[in-house]
Amino acid sequence: QSVLTQPPSVSAAPGQQVTITCSGSGSNIGKNYVSWYRQVPGTAPKLLIYDNDKRPSGIPERFSGSKSGTSATLGVTGLQTGDEADYYCASWDGSTTVVFGGGTKLTVL
Amino acid sequence: QVTLRESGPVLVKPTQTLTLTCTFSGFSLSTTEMSVTWVRQPPGKALEWLALIDWDDDKYYSTSLQTRLTISKDTSTNEVVLTMTNMDPVDTATYYCARSTSGAVAADFDSWGQGTLVTVSS
Repeated sequence: QSVLTQPPSVSAAPGQQVTITCSGSGSNIGKNYVSWYRQVPGTAPKLLIYDNDKRPSGIPERFSGSKSGTSATLGVTGLQTGDEADYYCASWDGSTTVVFGGGTKLTVL
Repeated sequence: QVTLRESGPVLVKPTQTLTLTCTFSGFSLSTTEMSVTWVRQPPGKALEWLALIDWDDDKYYSTSLQTRLTISKDTSTNEVVLTMTNMDPVDTATYYCARSTSGAVAADFDSWGQGTLVTVSS
C-alpha cells in the first residue's frame, strides 16, 4: 500500500476532462510540494506538474495541478487518445523520504 | 542537454549484492540544490522511491529498505552508485535514476534515465 492514495483508474471520452486525486497526510502533502508524473508503459516517467501547480516547459496548459490541505489533484482537459498512460503523484514525507502514489491508469474511451 | 543512464547487471542471484551506476551529463552534482535519486518499478506495479543524494552529500533512504541500501556519488566522474544488499526475487524491477534541481525540498525529478531491468533469480 502506497503512502499516497490514488484511484486505480479513471476514464473519459476524447475532448472531455478528468481529474485524478492524490490523498496523503499532514507529514507529506500537508507540508510539502506535490509533483505529478506521466508514464507510458515501457518508458520512463515524465514530470508533468511540480510545486503543486507549475508546469515544466513543454507541458501543455491542458494539464493542471492543485493542492488543498492533505490532498492534491491533477486535471486534464481536452482529452486525447495520446493522454492514455499511468499517472503518479509524489511528495516528500517529512524531510526524510520521498513517497509516490500507487498510480492511476487513465483510459480515453 | 541533461542525460542520465543506468548500468549494472541484468541478472543477480538471491542473497547477492546489486550495484547500479547512474552516469549523467549536462549538470554537476556539486551545484547547489542538485540531487540524484533512484526509483524502481516491479513489472506491472507502481513506482517505488529508493534513495536520494544531494549536492551537499546528504543521503536519504526509503524507510523500508534503508538497512539494505547505500547511495554514493563521485562528482569527478559524474556518477551516482546505488548498492542493495541481500537481493530477493521480489526485488526484480526496472531501476531508474533521475535528477532534481530542488535538493531535498520537492520531489520534482525533471530528467530520468531509460531504466535498467534487474532480474533476481537463481
